[in-house]
Amino acid sequence: SYVLTQPPSVSVAPGKTARITCGGNNIGSKSVHWYQQKPGQAPVLVIYYDSDRPSGIPERFSGSNSGNTATLTISRVEAGDEADYYCQVWDSSSDHSWVFGGGTKLTVL
Amino acid sequence: EVQLVESGGGLVQPGRSLRLSCAASGFTFDDYAMHWVRQAPGKGLEWVSGISWNSGSIGYADSVKGRFTISRDNAKNSLYLQMNSLRAEDTALYYCAKGAAAGISSWFDPWGQGTLVTVSS
Repeated sequence: SYVLTQPPSVSVAPGKTARITCGGNNIGSKSVHWYQQKPGQAPVLVIYYDSDRPSGIPERFSGSNSGNTATLTISRVEAGDEADYYCQVWDSSSDHSWVFGGGTKLTVL
Repeated sequence: EVQLVESGGGLVQPGRSLRLSCAASGFTFDDYAMHWVRQAPGKGLEWVSGISWNSGSIGYADSVKGRFTISRDNAKNSLYLQMNSLRAEDTALYYCAKGAAAGISSWFDPWGQGTLVTVSS
């Protein structure tokens, strides 16, 4: 089955740029979606189709996907961005299933 | 406003069954796929199952295949998950999520607040 690899944690100072990676075999050929989950809350979609933002998500959130790595970039990080972030892809191989990365805890210093 | 409200969770003994429900409102339910996603305490997200708008396409995670059954009632705007032969490792918060399109291969938005299932003797 398809595997997505995320770093367990990323730390960044307020106002700086955070980059959260999601690694997978030839992930650039797949569409990657990203979710933000704050403590005690349900996940919220922040990026779909690699780089599109749902309405209501700040422009500070952006995404890219190429080769074996997809990246969620958060510019001008704020304290309220502290959360767990998950990448997701549809595995259209024999499994035909959804796969999530293990999640990355973003800490705002 | 889209609302998804899960119910049916609780404490159940290993080997027993439980049926989860998700009541949907604020959108045309039978236009969209629906999914169940779970999160074990302190762990990450795991997709459990998805069902297309007309129940014509259904998928399961390997970890639940043969034990769990997803279904929907479009007349009642409701999604269900029948869970049989429950195991301790099924203990998790179960989220209902709306698919972005009719088929099960589109992203999830939004999610409900979840219902907690605890499998323990």
